[in-house]
Amino acid sequence: SQQGEEDPQALSIQEGENATMNCSYKTSINNLQWYRQNSGRGLVHLILIRSNEREKHSGRLRVTLDTSKKSSSLLITASRAADTASYFCATFSPNFGNEKLTFGTGTRLTIIP
Amino acid sequence: EAGVTQFPSHSVIEKGQTVTLRCDPISGHDNLYWYRRVMGKEIKFLLHFVKESKQDESGMPNNRFLAERTGGTYSTLKVQPAELEDSGVYFCASSILGQGDSPLHFGNGTRLTVT
Repeated sequence: SQQGEEDPQALSIQEGENATMNCSYKTSINNLQWYRQNSGRGLVHLILIRSNEREKHSGRLRVTLDTSKKSSSLLITASRAADTASYFCATFSPNFGNEKLTFGTGTRLTIIP
Repeated sequence: EAGVTQFPSHSVIEKGQTVTLRCDPISGHDNLYWYRRVMGKEIKFLLHFVKESKQDESGMPNNRFLAERTGGTYSTLKVQPAELEDSGVYFCASSILGQGDSPLHFGNGTRLTVT
């Protein structure tokens, strides 16, 4: 099973609406990061939230983290066509000697103009 | 600042052949990582270099994969001999600090197709 699993796998909304994507994980973490990937491009880091933080904002992005439920959500407000991309959460766990970011399968977001 | 660059962007090879992927990290980034995404599945960690040393290669699938980072600058990932299941997109990423402490900067990936 995967450490990070995004939900839903695919999401289509009208431009201007808000988009919410969720991520669940299984083990304790130091931090959780969200990345965006446009088709044919590399992943771009969006935001990092540490395990002792509950909410973080960056522009139109809002990330929440609930360590008791081992889940996070990414909210994109007032979506734009340029937000069309795949979004991945990645967790970093405190496992000395085996420290790496673990990615999920991603949510494919389509913004309909 | 130039980003992470990967070469080639696409490679189509036959089963049994050899392919070498190259990654040039951002200058000054000691940490370099290789990841792979097979169609529709999660992005899987392959290995992590700190300068020229392999910090963690626990994600390397088998001994057909060989990664090097001579001199601690660019890195190569060689697949020999390639199998059908090696098809996917291979991403390279770099960071200043370890990946738990600073974001990763990714290249555009190499799409490998083994036929």
